[in-house]
Amino acid sequence: GAVVSQHPSRVICKSGTSVKIECRSLDFQATTMFWYRQFPKQSLMLMATSNEGSKATYEQGVEKDKFLINHASLTLSTLTVTSAHPEDSSFYICSARGPSSQDEQYFGPGTRLTVT
Amino acid sequence: EDKVVQSPLSLVVHEGDTVTLNCSYEVTNFRSLLWYKQEKKAPTFLFMLTSSGIEKKSGRLSSILDKKELFSILNITATQTGDSAIYLCAVGPYNQGGKLIFGQGTELSVKP
Repeated sequence: GAVVSQHPSRVICKSGTSVKIECRSLDFQATTMFWYRQFPKQSLMLMATSNEGSKATYEQGVEKDKFLINHASLTLSTLTVTSAHPEDSSFYICSARGPSSQDEQYFGPGTRLTVT
Repeated sequence: EDKVVQSPLSLVVHEGDTVTLNCSYEVTNFRSLLWYKQEKKAPTFLFMLTSSGIEKKSGRLSSILDKKELFSILNITATQTGDSAIYLCAVGPYNQGGKLIFGQGTELSVKP
């Protein structure tokens, strides 16, 4: 149980284009999902908290107009990187708050974004 | 500022060795501490600890929390090459909407 999927797993795009990443909880409903970014050999950096039916809460320093988050249903949150630049290249991981615990988070497999 | 610090940052051992990974924290309104294992992709959940002194165990892995001294350890006995991964420690505070504060991770490499 508590499986989270993420799509796509890998994407290459040109500078200036937008990319959408989907995060789905497959066997449970997730009112809260989280989006992280991870650089090589570094830990997870929380970008934003996504709550179903309301606006996302962004961490300090994260541009909300650049990283658009939508959590339209209890099983789907999307992250859109708008006008991507090479410095946005990274590993993006989503997680969903577990069905039975306040703090347990289940992670998706991640999306490797490369902006050329 | 809340922070979670792991040590060592990296560790190389041989199969069969026992390792201890450390996680200390300074977090306001502590609620829980979680351990994750990250191989090539996303982290997988290992343990969640909320009470001091109660060991959680799963096979060769075990973990314990000390809320007085503000740290946790993750032990792996009889290590195998499949234990090679980054081990992440995270703390979940109250009143933060469920968000977790992650440490830098410990990169464990187990040599045959």
